[in-house]
Amino acid sequence: SQTIHQWPATLVQPVGSPLSLECTVEGTSNPNLYWYRQAAGRGLQLLFYSIGIGQISSEVPQNLSASRPQDRQFILSSKKLLLSDSGFYLCAWSAGTGVYNEQFFGPGTRLTVL
Amino acid sequence: AQKVTQAQTEISVVEKEDVTLDCVYETRDTTYYLFWYKQPPSGELVFLIRRNSFDEQNEISGRYSWNFQKSTSSFNFTITASQVVDSAVYFCGHTGGFKTIFGAGTRLFVKA
Repeated sequence: SQTIHQWPATLVQPVGSPLSLECTVEGTSNPNLYWYRQAAGRGLQLLFYSIGIGQISSEVPQNLSASRPQDRQFILSSKKLLLSDSGFYLCAWSAGTGVYNEQFFGPGTRLTVL
Repeated sequence: AQKVTQAQTEISVVEKEDVTLDCVYETRDTTYYLFWYKQPPSGELVFLIRRNSFDEQNEISGRYSWNFQKSTSSFNFTITASQVVDSAVYFCGHTGGFKTIFGAGTRLFVKA
């Protein structure tokens, strides 16, 4: 069966510090991968998605970036965090065999920028 | 552009009541899928259902049922005989391709 992992679970970082969040998927090949952010009490904002290694589509211009160095690894990064980057970050995957497949979400990382 | 509207921000019911969560979408896609997800207090989103744009049959799964009406661009979700464990945020989503657009979510409180 497929499993999606995210770490860390929680993170407290000072403004201006770098960020690296990691997501890995097990039990499937060539998945579509996604990063979402959920601000407190708000909906889901799609940040990036990837349909293959090295292929990243950005949905919201900001100080975040994403990379996919391996088929089942998706990394969210920032060189300098802003207060507004605080939120709940969710990684998700869907089967790469189609474009209409449901997404399965990881446990999330709660980021607080102070 | 696609848009999903969940007009109900919060709903509060007493256990055993039925509750309907509304979802209205806008799309230019001729082929698309609609989804519902549940986000319990733990934070992880749980997939509930996927429905394609060509299938307007209602679906029932235990206490959950979904009503898809293409004519009104709605995909509503009903929980029958609600339970405290149903308390969560529920998200409706639409996809016409790789991206899924989600509504803002409806927070459901079920009181004992």
